[in-house]
Amino acid sequence: QKEVEQDPGPLSVPEGAIVSLNCTYSNSAFQYFMWYRQYSRKGPELLMYTYSSGNKEDGRFTAQVDKSSKYISLFIRDSQPSDSATYLCARRGSSASKIIFGSGTRLSIRP
Amino acid sequence: DAGVTQSPTHLIKTRGQQVTLRCSPKSGHDTVSWYQQALGQGPQFIFQYYEEEERQRGNFPDRFSGHQFPNYSSELNVNALLLGDSALYLCASSRRGRDTEAFFGQGTRLTVV
Repeated sequence: QKEVEQDPGPLSVPEGAIVSLNCTYSNSAFQYFMWYRQYSRKGPELLMYTYSSGNKEDGRFTAQVDKSSKYISLFIRDSQPSDSATYLCARRGSSASKIIFGSGTRLSIRP
Repeated sequence: DAGVTQSPTHLIKTRGQQVTLRCSPKSGHDTVSWYQQALGQGPQFIFQYYEEEERQRGNFPDRFSGHQFPNYSSELNVNALLLGDSALYLCASSRRGRDTEAFFGQGTRLTVV
């Protein structure tokens, strides 16, 4: 079982829709949970991170962690064509430096 | 601020050859991590350098080695290249202890033929 599981998609939604991206993880020791956005031929860009569980909001983006179900979510409100990219969820333990990534979900926003 | 810069952007090598990839961290960052991203997959951690020493290593063979210089820049070396080494190699920099806020470069696309 992979440490972080993510549906690869692709996911296609119309402009303005609310997008929900999800991941599951297997190790309860994880403390930090991150979401990255990666455009084609570019490196990943950190969108936001949360520590432990709960919600965190930044503009149109909301990250949610449910430790009881080991579920990580990213919600994008009022989606724009410029949001079309691959979204990677990731985690890091409290003592380990390495970041463990999911395989990414390809998202396409139709104008 | 130029952010994290990697060179070269693309590279084609033959099986069995050796390759060196380079990374300059973002200004103010002292820690460099390297990742391998195969097509359609998420990045996989190779190793991390801090104070010119390898501090943590992922599940990669000894053919993968690295170096960090006093100015915090770093190199990734891969010996005896295999076709399976074809991937996007990403460098990430951060301040020590702030790995959650790592910045990634645009990567080096390595193709082994």
